[in-house]
Amino acid sequence: RKEVEQDPGPFNVPEGATVAFNCTYSNSASQSFFWYRQDCRKEPKLLMSVYSSGNEDGRFTAQLNRASQYISLLIRDSKLSDSATYLCVGDTGRRALTFGSGTRLQVQP
Amino acid sequence: NAGVTQTPKFRILKIGQSMTLQCTQDMNHNYMYWYRQDPGMGLKLIYYSVGAGITDKGEVPNGYNVSRSTTEDFPLRLELAAPSQTSVYFCASSVTGTSNQPQHFGDGTRLSIL
Repeated sequence: RKEVEQDPGPFNVPEGATVAFNCTYSNSASQSFFWYRQDCRKEPKLLMSVYSSGNEDGRFTAQLNRASQYISLLIRDSKLSDSATYLCVGDTGRRALTFGSGTRLQVQP
Repeated sequence: NAGVTQTPKFRILKIGQSMTLQCTQDMNHNYMYWYRQDPGMGLKLIYYSVGAGITDKGEVPNGYNVSRSTTEDFPLRLELAAPSQTSVYFCASSVTGTSNQPQHFGDGTRLSIL
């Protein structure tokens, strides 16, 4: 089992839709999680951290479910500009964070 | 703010040539990382460093070398370029390796080996 695993997608959704991605992790001792966004041929950029209590930033909500070992990202009112690959990142007990392979989102007009 | 700066942005090498990918950060971060990303794939960790003078292997270190003589710089060296090393290389830095400290990335170096 991969340390951090994501559905590669693509998720094709219409503008205005709500879409959610999940990411599972294998190390139950993992403490830190993040969601990054990566546009085509660009560097990954931090979208938001994932806290135990969940957190929200505008149209984006991130949640952590420790019992089932997954984190989620919910995007409401999708915009064309949300089209990107979303990377799930976790602390797997190593000295470096572990990146998932990414979930591709395509928002269509 | 410069953040993490990588040079060059693009490079074409012939098989067997060597080169150094440069990475520098001005945030006084202790941790620095090198990743490669093949088309349509995720990031794979090549090497990382937890501070000046300390480096360690990541997931795919073969064919690469690194050094960390200063806090700011973390160059990646390819000694004998092979076609399998054609990829996009990202350098990143963070305050610490874990504990809610995200990584900040450079723009990447696109390397083709022919």
